Amino acid sequence: QVQLQESGPGLVKPSETLSLTCTVSGGSISSYYWSWIRQPAGKGLEWIGRIYTSGSTNYNPSLKSRVTMSVDTSKNQFSLKLSSVTAADTAVYYCARDERYCTNGVCYNWFDPWGQGTLVTVSS
Amino acid sequence: EIVLTQSPGTLSLSPGERATLSCRASQSVSSSYLAWYQQKPGQAPRLLIYGASSRATGIPDRFSGSGSGTDFTLTISRLEPEDFAVYYCQQYGSSPKWTFGQGTKVEIK
Repeated sequence: QVQLQESGPGLVKPSETLSLTCTVSGGSISSYYWSWIRQPAGKGLEWIGRIYTSGSTNYNPSLKSRVTMSVDTSKNQFSLKLSSVTAADTAVYYCARDERYCTNGVCYNWFDPWGQGTLVTVSS
Repeated sequence: EIVLTQSPGTLSLSPGERATLSCRASQSVSSSYLAWYQQKPGQAPRLLIYGASSRATGIPDRFSGSGSGTDFTLTISRLEPEDFAVYYCQQYGSSPKWTFGQGTKVEIK
């Protein structure tokens, strides 16, 4: 079955750029949306944005000015860059497949599967 | 932006009891775009319910979802020890595309 794995530095300095990659295994990355979600310690989930395999993106307006996503279909990977980070960006970052299924004129959306998550700490 | 408000914040129950979790949207949400997730400490969220009422693959039938419009409910008919966790509702919309509720923690009484 499809599995996702996040990778990247666990420590980023304030004002620098956070960079993460999600590697998809067990299936093709093509023809899906792929999302990034984050979760500060002890808090809820925040959707960061998503990318389609064509490169089309949607970002959360609250983070849009700092977020860039990209996809590399040859490597079955997609990536997140978050610029000008502060301590408020410290969180566990998850990647997930943004699934859409349509039947009988009705479309359903959900996230599945998810990566295990990676902790990114912003600190000098 | 559609805001999802989950209640209660914490639910203290004993194994075998029934759990009823609420997710209220600030404006009407299409039922097909409402999902529920379970998250245990140190783990990624796991999809339980999509389309407000359809169980995901492998999810036990003690989990059920219902609701429409602005009010949605996740019910766990008889709590098993492994069900004590945090539960999130999620909706797919326009901008931002995805929003989550703040979560309900189901803890052992």
